[in-house]
Amino acid sequence: AQSVAQPEDQVNVAEGNPLTVKCTYSVSGNPYLFWYVQYPNRGLQFLLKYITGDNLVKGSYGFEAEFNKSQTSFHLKKPSALVSDSALYFCAVRVKDDSWGKLQFGAGTQVVVTP
Amino acid sequence: DVKVTQSSRYLVKRTGEKVFLECVQDMDHENMFWYRQDPGLGLRLIYFSYDVKMKEKGDIPEGYSVSREKKERFSLILESASTNQTSMYLCASNQKQTQYFGPGTRLLVL
Repeated sequence: AQSVAQPEDQVNVAEGNPLTVKCTYSVSGNPYLFWYVQYPNRGLQFLLKYITGDNLVKGSYGFEAEFNKSQTSFHLKKPSALVSDSALYFCAVRVKDDSWGKLQFGAGTQVVVTP
Repeated sequence: DVKVTQSSRYLVKRTGEKVFLECVQDMDHENMFWYRQDPGLGLRLIYFSYDVKMKEKGDIPEGYSVSREKKERFSLILESASTNQTSMYLCASNQKQTQYFGPGTRLLVL
């Protein structure tokens, strides 16, 4: 079985400071890893993914994430947070062998960026 | 550009009513998914479909059914709505690695 943990329900950060949202995963095979963002009353928007190759993945809106196989982590980062980054962030994992592309999602982390 | 649409943004229904949630994608994707989203629980997979008329149960299929008569359309059906089905419902589709989501339907069952 696969699972995803986002250990923080909420992350508070001041505008201009670095933002980190944590994610750890558990899968029986090699993972595909994803980050999505959800703004209020909206669907999920894809931010970035790790499939293979370079462990540092760059995505939309200045976000990046680092795949760490030994720590089974895929933390989302942004060097300088904006107030507009305030949203709900979801980490998700998929086993590479799953031909249907089913995702297992974490519970989500609310990010609050204060001016 | 990727486009997944859902028929309603907000719905209010009575207990016992039959409810249809519609999802359409214009990307010719094979796979489509229905999730419900509840605070603190993230997204949980209800059903998915990998082809026309083909469906598989997800993690929480009880109380739901689905229909996929055309490749672009995937419907979620609540045969007899109950208050514990009040939730945000999200539809998604994918072709390769990435799922793309619709805007969601917030359903309130009274």
